[in-house]
Amino acid sequence: EADIYQTPRYLVIGTGKKITLECSQTMGHDKMYWYQQDPGMELHLIHYSYGVNSTEKGDLSSESTVSRIRTEHFPLTLESARPSHTSQYLCASSSLRDRGSNEQFFGPGTRLTVL
Amino acid sequence: RKEVEQDPGPFNVPEGATVAFNCTYSNSASQSFFWYRQDCRKEPKLLMSVYSSGNEDGRFTAQLNRASQYISLLIRDSKLSDSATYLCVVVPYNQGGKLIFGQGTELSVKP
Repeated sequence: EADIYQTPRYLVIGTGKKITLECSQTMGHDKMYWYQQDPGMELHLIHYSYGVNSTEKGDLSSESTVSRIRTEHFPLTLESARPSHTSQYLCASSSLRDRGSNEQFFGPGTRLTVL
Repeated sequence: RKEVEQDPGPFNVPEGATVAFNCTYSNSASQSFFWYRQDCRKEPKLLMSVYSSGNEDGRFTAQLNRASQYISLLIRDSKLSDSATYLCVVVPYNQGGKLIFGQGTELSVKP
């Protein structure tokens, strides 16, 4: 089992609230990622990081922001949640050292519903 | 055109059937290929890598055709527990190991 955790698992919140989705991994992985996935649809990369103090925007534009102050922690923040942000958010990590693999390990996801 | 396209599902098959999934990718400069499995409301997990020579893992066989930019997954003697969505994944060159996911093909194995 992968040692990557996300909290909360489910979140229902009103419009305009600030929220932070937590993601932590204990595998010492350098790379971390955030994906957004709507039901029955493909995963879209919204943010990634190659290490501490490194953050990049992904392929899908997102109003969320991320930070990487510690290797093991990669939180995602929405300053003002809107119903259009309702989705599943999946965090993943991989190791820069394991170049031959490219395997990403996923957390269990956070299902966000904005009313 | 999507970078990675998969057979539209769902595939509904009886136990013991053989089922094949197809996937095409548009970026010829792609270095690695994978099949991930995603159970309903769960996170994706790596099923197997895909090599040019083809590779097998028990009842699962993956094939890659770089010339045609085509990947396949064959499941033999399907089990009820194989029911899931199968995601075709491509890793382009020089994009820092980012994974590009297909939309997935849902498989439902019935008794």
